[in-house]
Amino acid sequence: SQTIHQWPATLVQPVGSPLSLECTVEGTSNPNLYWYRQAAGRGLQLLFYSVGIGQISSEVPQNLSASRPQDRQFILSSKKLLLSDSGFYLCAWSPTGVRGYEQYFGPGTRLTVT
Amino acid sequence: SQQGEEDPQALSIQEGENATMNCSYKTSINNLQWYRQNSGRGLVHLILIRSNEREKHSGRLRVTLDTSKKSSSLLITASRAADTASYFCATRPRAGGTSYGKLTFGQGTILTVHP
Repeated sequence: SQTIHQWPATLVQPVGSPLSLECTVEGTSNPNLYWYRQAAGRGLQLLFYSVGIGQISSEVPQNLSASRPQDRQFILSSKKLLLSDSGFYLCAWSPTGVRGYEQYFGPGTRLTVT
Repeated sequence: SQQGEEDPQALSIQEGENATMNCSYKTSINNLQWYRQNSGRGLVHLILIRSNEREKHSGRLRVTLDTSKKSSSLLITASRAADTASYFCATRPRAGGTSYGKLTFGQGTILTVHP
């Protein structure tokens, strides 16, 4: 069966510090991968998605970047965090092709920028 | 932009009652999905309804879709305290264009079921 991991679970970082959040998927190959941010337990904002290694699409211009160095690894980064980067970050995957309709979410990372 | 909009924003009911949540969207869709999120956790997929379907059931869940009104509803029958969570609708656009393949989530409905 497929599983998705995210770490760390919680993170407190000062303004101006770098960020690296990691997401890995097991039990599938060539998944579509997604990074979302959720503010105050409300709607999800799609930040990045990837359909393959090195292929990243950015949805919202911002202080963050994403990379996919391996097939099942998706990394969210920032060189200098802003207070507005605080939130709940969720990684998700979906199968490619016709079956790729449902998305499967990781447990999330709670980021607080102080 | 967030296409799906849920209504109500919050719903509080007693165990055993039915809970109905509504979702409206703006553009043509391939399918509409409902997800559940327990506090501080990731989202869990509940049910998917395609644009050519009008109703779908899964256990105590019933989803309807009205593409002419661009709206959907999620009914949870005989609710339980364990159903307490946030519920989100998500739309997948019709094939073609740069937005194909991605989901757009609504703001969610917070459901509280009192024992």
